[in-house]
Amino acid sequence: KNQVEQSPQSLIILEGKNCTLQCNYTVSPFSNLRWYKQDTGRGPVSLTIMTFSENTKSNGRYTATLDADTKQSSLHITASQLSDSASYICVVSSNGGATNKLIFGTGTLLAVQP
Amino acid sequence: EPEVTQTPSHQVTQMGQEVILRCVPISNHLYFYWYRQILGQKVEFLVSFYNNEISEKSEIFDDQFSVERPDGSNFTLKIRSTKLEDSAMYFCASSYTGAAANYGYTFGSGTRLTVV
Repeated sequence: KNQVEQSPQSLIILEGKNCTLQCNYTVSPFSNLRWYKQDTGRGPVSLTIMTFSENTKSNGRYTATLDADTKQSSLHITASQLSDSASYICVVSSNGGATNKLIFGTGTLLAVQP
Repeated sequence: EPEVTQTPSHQVTQMGQEVILRCVPISNHLYFYWYRQILGQKVEFLVSFYNNEISEKSEIFDDQFSVERPDGSNFTLKIRSTKLEDSAMYFCASSYTGAAANYGYTFGSGTRLTVV
């Protein structure tokens, strides 16, 4: 069964600190992996997209890594800001058949405190 | 930056009533989707729509649900007879290519549906 698991479930850090969020997936065949940021009551906003051949991708203070062999990804946030408080969701796309759906993880709820 | 627009932002309806959730996808996008998120749970795929027909749907998308692109710009989700368990945030999304391609897949801000 295609699944995306994330850890930790929630995380509290102090402003200015770094953090790393983890994602494990069992989606097959794999097409790409995305990290989204979702503010409370809002739609997901894309941070990064990585294909099978990409090991790392950055978007400002966000850096995502992908290990397609172990089916793991991480999202590293540097110098956190209060506005980083949100849910961070790992999302995987499969290219099996004609599917265009995204498979969402449960997210990591990040709280950045002053 | 182009946006996916959803209306209304909040909808309260009585159980058994029909609701229509509306979305305006990004203008040059070809693929359209509906997802839902029950409070405290993960986002779940409902349906994808391409070339004026449903291309894929999940087991959640039963006969109570239907989608339509009535005028070439709007994309609607209709729930024929709402149940309490339909209460959720409903997200519309659109993309220029399918999800397997390495392009953005843009979500709207969602419609919060509350069935009472």
